[in-house]
Amino acid sequence: DAGVIQSPRHEVTEMGQEVTLRCKPISGHNSLFWYRQTMMRGLELLIYFNNNVPIDDSGMPEDRFSAKMPNASFSTLKIQPSEPRDSAVYFCASSLVVGGYEQYFGPGTRLTVT
Amino acid sequence: AQRVTQPEKLLSVFKGAPVELKCNYSYSGSPELFWYVQYSRQRLQLLLRHISRESIKGFTADLNKGETSFHLKKPFAQEEDSAMYYCAVDNYGQNFVFGPGTRLSVLP
Repeated sequence: DAGVIQSPRHEVTEMGQEVTLRCKPISGHNSLFWYRQTMMRGLELLIYFNNNVPIDDSGMPEDRFSAKMPNASFSTLKIQPSEPRDSAVYFCASSLVVGGYEQYFGPGTRLTVT
Repeated sequence: AQRVTQPEKLLSVFKGAPVELKCNYSYSGSPELFWYVQYSRQRLQLLLRHISRESIKGFTADLNKGETSFHLKKPFAQEEDSAMYYCAVDNYGQNFVFGPGTRLSVLP
């Protein structure tokens, strides 16, 4: 298993543009998490899904951020419109079930908004 | 508010010295506690979890419910232990929070 797969690995975009980050969880995992990592705020949980259903999106910073999980093997995190303060590394993680289990992290997407 | 604190942003020790990375949490109930590690150019990965009560790469962590702490310890640090360490608390699906992280630097 290749583990959690994220694409793209790097994204550079201009302010105001739409950005879509993609994640493929480990097969058989029922829970998927999106995190944002910055120097100032560390690792923040944005949203997580269980069985493709969003359970807690309280960490999503504002309405410009949205996440979907149309099926068990794919999730997207979209930022529209993007702003320079969105620049960060975005991680996707999956686990067997939600609650009390190890999370397996992807390599991250480094987003730079100019 | 529920949160996880790691008081040291950076911890430097010499090779062979003992190391302790501190973690304190404030949560109701009995959450599950983890230590994750991120080595340079690698993915964030699980180092150990409280419920397993195991030692990984010489590291151990003891849960002290009275002090609400889950400090990570190793008696003799190695250069390859240099990494970013995150304490994390999982309240069984109700909340999942990472601490701010401690960068451990083991000097030769």
